[in-house]
Amino acid sequence: GQNIDQPTEMTATEGAIVQINCTYQTSGFNGLFWYQQHAGEAPTFLSYNVLDGLEEKGRFSSFLSRSKGYSYLLLKELQMKDSASYLCAVRSMNTGFQKLVFGTGTRLLVSP
Amino acid sequence: DGGITQSPKYLFRKEGQNVTLSCEQNLNHDAMYWYRQDPGQGLRLIYYSQIVNDFQKGDIAEGYSVSREKKESFPLTVTSAQKNPTAFYLCASSRTDHNSPLHFGNGTRLTVT
Repeated sequence: GQNIDQPTEMTATEGAIVQINCTYQTSGFNGLFWYQQHAGEAPTFLSYNVLDGLEEKGRFSSFLSRSKGYSYLLLKELQMKDSASYLCAVRSMNTGFQKLVFGTGTRLLVSP
Repeated sequence: DGGITQSPKYLFRKEGQNVTLSCEQNLNHDAMYWYRQDPGQGLRLIYYSQIVNDFQKGDIAEGYSVSREKKESFPLTVTSAQKNPTAFYLCASSRTDHNSPLHFGNGTRLTVT
């Protein structure tokens, strides 16, 4: 089976840095995605990791360790608009279809 | 602009009625998906389709049906057999290569009373 764990909620202050962790257990791992979702809206793609290491995209970075089944999303210079849920999703090979399984999401609240 | 469109945004139905949710994409993606989102739970896969005229059950397909007659369209029918149909439904599409992210529509919030 597959299992993805993320903290339910985090709070941070505008201008700060926050790290959102994701641990997973899956067979046939084939990539990890991070999405941002504002309440009542569509998830939007943030980052993709398939090899170990750090991927940087502006204020957002994502890290992957396949041996530890661990990823984190790092958000720098937090802005109020970053208040949203952040979804970790793992892609695995499943009977020939590359299935994407989502965690429950981490709700981030950014305060002034 | 390319994108994926779901309609309507809000839908209300009486128990016992079937209802069809629309999903259209002009991204030329081969794969399309339907997910359901409930509070406190991750997105759960209902059905997916990797090519026209073919689709497969996801993790929670019971009480749902789909069709894929055109590449651009992947409508979802919530039947009266679905025990807890009230939820936020998200349609997505993607290319079929392994690093292709899912592109989501804005969702349909279905309320059944």
